[in-house]
Amino acid sequence: QVQIVQSGAEVQKPGASVKVSCKGSGYTFTRCAIHWVRQAPGQRLEWMGWINVDNVDTGYSPKFQGRVTFTWDTSAGTVYMELNNLRSEDTAVYYCAKKTAGPNNPFDDWGQGTLVTVSS
Amino acid sequence: QSALTQPPSASGSPGQSVTISCTGTSSDVGGYNYVSWYQQHPGKAPKLMIYEVSQRPSGVPDRFSGSKSGNTASLTVSGLQIDDEADYYCNSYAGGNTWVFGGGTRLTVL
Repeated sequence: QVQIVQSGAEVQKPGASVKVSCKGSGYTFTRCAIHWVRQAPGQRLEWMGWINVDNVDTGYSPKFQGRVTFTWDTSAGTVYMELNNLRSEDTAVYYCAKKTAGPNNPFDDWGQGTLVTVSS
Repeated sequence: QSALTQPPSASGSPGQSVTISCTGTSSDVGGYNYVSWYQQHPGKAPKLMIYEVSQRPSGVPDRFSGSKSGNTASLTVSGLQIDDEADYYCNSYAGGNTWVFGGGTRLTVL
């Protein structure tokens, strides 16, 4: 069965960077992309972008372009999301979600979420 | 890339039906039949309920249904149950390998 497990909660200072991991099992990695979605406390879901682990292609929401990077470690079978120059507004739960290739397919399996707190 | 518009709240009594709307533009909801809906209970990850406007994944009760007309998609929950009380988010493909979520609707079962 599909399982997606993310790394644990993080506390970072303003201006620092955070790197969150996302490891999937129970499905064929190369047929799927991993998308990242965040949710600030009491707020809506916000789509951040994706990484296709097949060809390591990436796409980013214009809001996060230049400040976020998605990477894939083949040996570890793990995707990473790194967000730089953190500010208090980046305090949120960050989710990774699996999506089969193709715009018609939905986010069908999600990680448990990783709380990132930005505080001085 | 603006969020899709959903009503902040909706409510109904057990057994009743409720419909939640999701309004976008011709560049997202109206341009593609790639609308999905997610249910989120407090403190939990979202769960897929509807995809491609009206398709249900296996395991989702047929009390949940989806439709679309023009730039507005809708989720209908029939035969409301206590456990349906949650936040619901729509999502649409927006072209250029980008996606956008709605603002979310809190469904209360009275």
